[in-house]
Amino acid sequence: AQSVTQLGSHVSVSEGALVLLRCNYSSSVPPYLFWYVQYPNQGLQLLLKYTSAATLVKGINGFEAEFKKSETSFHLTKPSAHMSDAAEYFCAVSVNNNNDMRFGAGTRLTVKP
Amino acid sequence: DTAVSQTPKYLVTQMGNDKSIKCEQNLGHDTMYWYKQDSKKFLKIMFSYNNKELIINETVPNRFSPKSPDKAHLNLHINSLELGDSAVYFCASSQDRGRGETQYFGPGTRLLVL
Repeated sequence: AQSVTQLGSHVSVSEGALVLLRCNYSSSVPPYLFWYVQYPNQGLQLLLKYTSAATLVKGINGFEAEFKKSETSFHLTKPSAHMSDAAEYFCAVSVNNNNDMRFGAGTRLTVKP
Repeated sequence: DTAVSQTPKYLVTQMGNDKSIKCEQNLGHDTMYWYKQDSKKFLKIMFSYNNKELIINETVPNRFSPKSPDKAHLNLHINSLELGDSAVYFCASSQDRGRGETQYFGPGTRLLVL
């Protein structure tokens, strides 16, 4: 069964520091992987997605993620954190032909001034 | 313009009541979904609906029933509400049901059952 695991339920960085949020996937077929962000009391917003076109995927708000098949990883990075990046981040995989999404447990990002 | 909208935003009700949550998308998408997010932020698919075909997650109690009056709407009706139904419910839509299609989420409905 396809799934994703997010390492670290809470990540705290200083403003201007590198953001690294970790996601590992399990899939017997080439995966379709997503990163979503959820701001407090809001819905999920797509940051970026991987569909096998390129291993380095650029998303909105300066985020990017790199698909590494050898490591079964799809980590999310941003070179310099802003206060506005504080939110919950979800990694997800599309698991079947019904496009059911399986989400990771989420990582809460805190940005310190 | 809101792409995927849900009403109400908040819903507080008593155990045993029946309630509905409405979802509308103006993206022209063919597929809609309902997700449940529990208190630990864990998201789980409940239903997907495409061209009048309903796919049900087998773990969803039959007290939950999605109803789609047309392609742009997928409402969620819940009978005999229980304390454990308290959660945030998200509606989403995608262009079609193909694997890897981006899903666009609504703002969520926060349900509290007392």
